[in-house]
This record gives sequence, structure tokens and C-alpha cells, in this order.
Amino acid sequence: GENVEQHPSTLSVQEGDSAVIKCTYSDSASNYFPWYKQELGKGPQLIIDIRSNVGEKKDQRIAVTLNKTAKHFSLHITETQPEDSAVYFCAASDSNAGGTSYGKLTFGQGTILTVHP
Amino acid sequence: GAGVSQSPRYKVAKRGQDVALRCDPISGHVSLFWYQQALGQGPEFLTYFQNEAQLDKSGLPSDRFFAERPEGSVSTLKIQRTQQEDSAVYLCASSPIHGTYYGYTFGSGTRLTVV
Repeated sequence: GENVEQHPSTLSVQEGDSAVIKCTYSDSASNYFPWYKQELGKGPQLIIDIRSNVGEKKDQRIAVTLNKTAKHFSLHITETQPEDSAVYFCAASDSNAGGTSYGKLTFGQGTILTVHP
Repeated sequence: GAGVSQSPRYKVAKRGQDVALRCDPISGHVSLFWYQQALGQGPEFLTYFQNEAQLDKSGLPSDRFFAERPEGSVSTLKIQRTQQEDSAVYLCASSPIHGTYYGYTFGSGTRLTVV
């Protein structure tokens, strides 16, 4: 099955700086890579996703890049703000799960992002 | 409703007790997932429903775990004879689509503590 590794486990930045979180995956058949933000006491919230037919996607201050050859994808947050502080998870879809394609996700271990004012 | 609703938000169970966790998905959503999130870890897949059909239960850790969605809407995750290692947040998520990849909507979860 799929295995997703996420680094770093913690990241501390000053307000206005950029933050980068990196993930690698093992299953070359995976073709959907979402990123989730989880605040304390809440469920994960989708913030951006990318499919394997594109290499980069941007939404305001957030961007994701994908390198399928290296099985590597990254989240970039620019101009960080204190409200960006949360736990961030990357994930990958396991498209070979019994031949079904229903969106089962394998998550990374999470990155605790702290943005200092 | 506007989002995925889970109840109870918190549950404390004595070891050996049975528990039932409820998930109300977004109305009309076809797909429903259960995930288990241990403290400080990412969510791990438990089971998947397409409407009332349980298509994948490969992530259920033991036969003490059972999930159902009899009418294709509300789902219940039941854990029998709870053990301390069952302590975790149980997350439910739903999606309007089956068979394609969309980021689905998670509920806030039920935090289960087994003492």
C-alpha cells in the first residue's frame, strides 16, 4: 500500500516569512494529492489539492508543487500570518485499493506550523 | 446540514465497554469515510461506504470494530469491548462523488478515551 512521509514535523517562522512543507510518497499509481489544515479540536480542512496531470497549483498565498518522477510534493505558504498556525497534513490517494477509485487517502504524519507575530 | 456532524464530541469509556459513534454526513453525499487519528498522528483509514454499501473495511483494526450505514445517510461506528489502544479521535468525512478524486469534508470528530 501507499506510504507518505512528511517533513518537518515542526516549523516555526516569523510573520511574513514563507513556510515550506515537503512530502514523499511510495505508490507510483497515486494521482491525487491534497493538503489539509487542522486546528485544535477540529477536523482536517482541505486547503489545496493537485492532480498528477499538473506540476503546480496556486491559490492566493498557498501553492503546491508536484514532481511525479521523484514522487515528491510540497506546500508553500507565502506571507505567513499568525492565523496560519495549525497542523498541516499532506495525503495521497491509493488508487490501487482493490481496483476501486473512491478517494481513500493515506496521510503524512503532520507538521505543526507556528507563525510568530 | 451545512457540514458533517459527529456525536458525541467526547466519549469516556471504561475498558471492556461497548461504544457507538455517530456521523451525519452532508445531505446527499454518496461517499462516507471513517478515519482514526491517534494523538500526534495523521488520520488512518478505517472504512468506506458508497451509499449503504460498505465497499472497503480493510482498515478496521480488529473484529471488535463494526460500521454501518443502513439507509445510505447516517453512519455508526461501533467498537465492542473497548481497549486502551482504541483511544483516539474518530473522524468521519463525506463526499458527493464516487469514483473520482475530490477533497472531502471532515467532521470535527469524536474523541474517545478508554480508561
